[in-house]
Amino acid sequence: SQQGEEDPQALSIQEGENATMNCSYKTSINNLQWYRQNSGRGLVHLILIRSNEREKHSGRLRVTLDTSKKSSSLLITASRAADTASYFCATLTGANSKLTFGKGITLSVRP
Amino acid sequence: DTAVSQTPKYLVTQMGNDKSIKCEQNLGHDTMYWYKQDSKKFLKIMFSYNNKELIINETVPNRFSPKSPDKAHLNLHINSLELGDSAVYFCASSQVAGGPGEQYFGPGTRLTVT
Repeated sequence: SQQGEEDPQALSIQEGENATMNCSYKTSINNLQWYRQNSGRGLVHLILIRSNEREKHSGRLRVTLDTSKKSSSLLITASRAADTASYFCATLTGANSKLTFGKGITLSVRP
Repeated sequence: DTAVSQTPKYLVTQMGNDKSIKCEQNLGHDTMYWYKQDSKKFLKIMFSYNNKELIINETVPNRFSPKSPDKAHLNLHINSLELGDSAVYFCASSQVAGGPGEQYFGPGTRLTVT
């Protein structure tokens, strides 16, 4: 069954603008991860936030986690055309490191 | 150099055939996975092996049979292929089951069943 739901489903912004993507989930989690997928390629891990963390930064990425609302957001600051890709949130649950992915958000950054 | 590799990259075959996809990781990870991504980009886990032992087996038709000869390799064999099997199949690995779970993905195998 699907765990994460991202919104919006598609986002188009101008280069230099910030992009905010949201993810909601349904059950308790060990951690939440964001991945990027360029067209025709495999997924690349971006950032991980543990269930006891509220905010994390990595370069131009900022992720927040609100376990009471079962939601997360990914902010990409000062976007670049190269950020154009699909972004997925994934929740890690259980002892066997099972990752459940959302449907993904298609981000287009216009040069 | 490639961390997680899959072969073949593209696979076109007819209904009823049997085919295999191979995956290898050189990261020294203990855990490997197979995912299926459909035409709407929805990614769903199929199987996971930890050090050659099956630990995750989602509701997948038994025409799909994974095999892990060693912890660096995880192959997927599909019998009696059907049109609905057309998808992109991704292999992934992570350091250890029960760990933080950051996964490294292969480039994918696009399977087209005609």
